[in-house]
Amino acid sequence: DVKVTQSSRYLVKRTGEKVFLECVQDMDHENMFWYRQDPGLGLRLIYFSYDVKMKEKGDIPEGYSVSREKKERFSLILESASTNQTSMYLCASRSLSNEQFFGPGTRLTVL
Amino acid sequence: QKEVEQNSGPLSVPEGAIASLNCTYSDRGSQSFFWYRQYSGKSPELIMFIYSNGDKEDGRFTAQLNKASQYVSLLIRDSQPSDSATYLCSRSGGSYIPTFGRGTSLIVHP
Repeated sequence: DVKVTQSSRYLVKRTGEKVFLECVQDMDHENMFWYRQDPGLGLRLIYFSYDVKMKEKGDIPEGYSVSREKKERFSLILESASTNQTSMYLCASRSLSNEQFFGPGTRLTVL
Repeated sequence: QKEVEQNSGPLSVPEGAIASLNCTYSDRGSQSFFWYRQYSGKSPELIMFIYSNGDKEDGRFTAQLNKASQYVSLLIRDSQPSDSATYLCSRSGGSYIPTFGRGTSLIVHP
């Protein structure tokens, strides 16, 4: 069964903290994505990776960075968390037929 | 202009009716189209995909694609309260980046 997991379902951090969100997929997909989802704004792409060590900026990369050292793992890093980064973060991997499989999401609150 | 447009709704239909969800897109290079269902507080899950013009049926769901008019629709027959969710339309094309609409909220009332 296809599976994408994320390290935390809920996370509370303080302004200025460095935050790591991890995503792991077991489907051997090359493409992985990080989105944030906010009410009324839909899914917005932060970063994506099309292969190990390869990354591309999405629509809203400011304040974020990513790491893809292994094919199955794609990490999102908030260098210095701010309150406007409070959101639902969704990781996804994509099959060769372009179907995306989403993880359960991490609801991050920055105080 | 957003590449994928959906009416945010909510679309309210009675139980047993047909729910019709629509999506338009701007990139004529789009090749494949996907419908995801997202329950409140959950992540999106794929329910249908379509690549070719015409209709594709899967149980109570039918996806329709018209590339000339650049729209995709999802029909849900015999709607059930459990179908109440937000439905996201997505397109994928030559680039690596898929594009999502903002979603349509569907409410099926008993």
